[in-house]
Amino acid sequence: DQQVKQNSPSLSVQEGRISILNCDYTNSMFDYFLWYKKYPAEGPTFLISISSIKDKNEDGRFTVFLNKSAKHLSLHIVPSQPGDSAVYFCAATPRETSGSRLTFGEGTQLTVNP
Amino acid sequence: DSGVTQTPKHLITATGQRVTLRCSPRSGDLSVYWYQQSLDQGLQFLIQYYNGEERAKGNILERFSAQQFPDLHSELNLSSLELGDSALYFCASSLGLAGGLKETQYFGPGTRLLVL
Repeated sequence: DQQVKQNSPSLSVQEGRISILNCDYTNSMFDYFLWYKKYPAEGPTFLISISSIKDKNEDGRFTVFLNKSAKHLSLHIVPSQPGDSAVYFCAATPRETSGSRLTFGEGTQLTVNP
Repeated sequence: DSGVTQTPKHLITATGQRVTLRCSPRSGDLSVYWYQQSLDQGLQFLIQYYNGEERAKGNILERFSAQQFPDLHSELNLSSLELGDSALYFCASSLGLAGGLKETQYFGPGTRLLVL
């Protein structure tokens, strides 16, 4: 049962253009969402997060949008840079009284071409 | 550099053996999490400790166990190893101030385990 899904295994964009990575979830108990970036042979690196009380959060070139009714979130990277090439994971955590397990999507390999 | 350290970086062992993976959280973090990333499963939550106590459990096999010590470092013990246990094992940590809720988890570089 895949509760967090990233349907695009890969995405290729030109340097300077916008990269849009998508993520869908099924568990309505999820109320905090995060994006991580992962380079080969390294651990996931935190990028940006959003709480379910918001629909948008911005940090520099990265913006995350949350559509609760559609159970969908997206990460926008503008402008995209070659150094952004990595695997991007969407993750979610539920409303729980204790603990904070992250449920991850399968990841999307982003390639930014110079 | 996330501030989370994991040792060893690589581990090669045989089926039936037992190994111990070690994690040191970021300075000041009270919560430690373990995740497994295998080829066909993606990143899966195994277990969380908060200030020495088990806080949450995921899809952790009975052959696996973990603990968090008074100095807050954590160890993940994997026993009776099978070929399918070959994976990347990540440790993450967070402050733990909110009981772990809505906190960012910072990941270590991982331990790559290969069971032959």
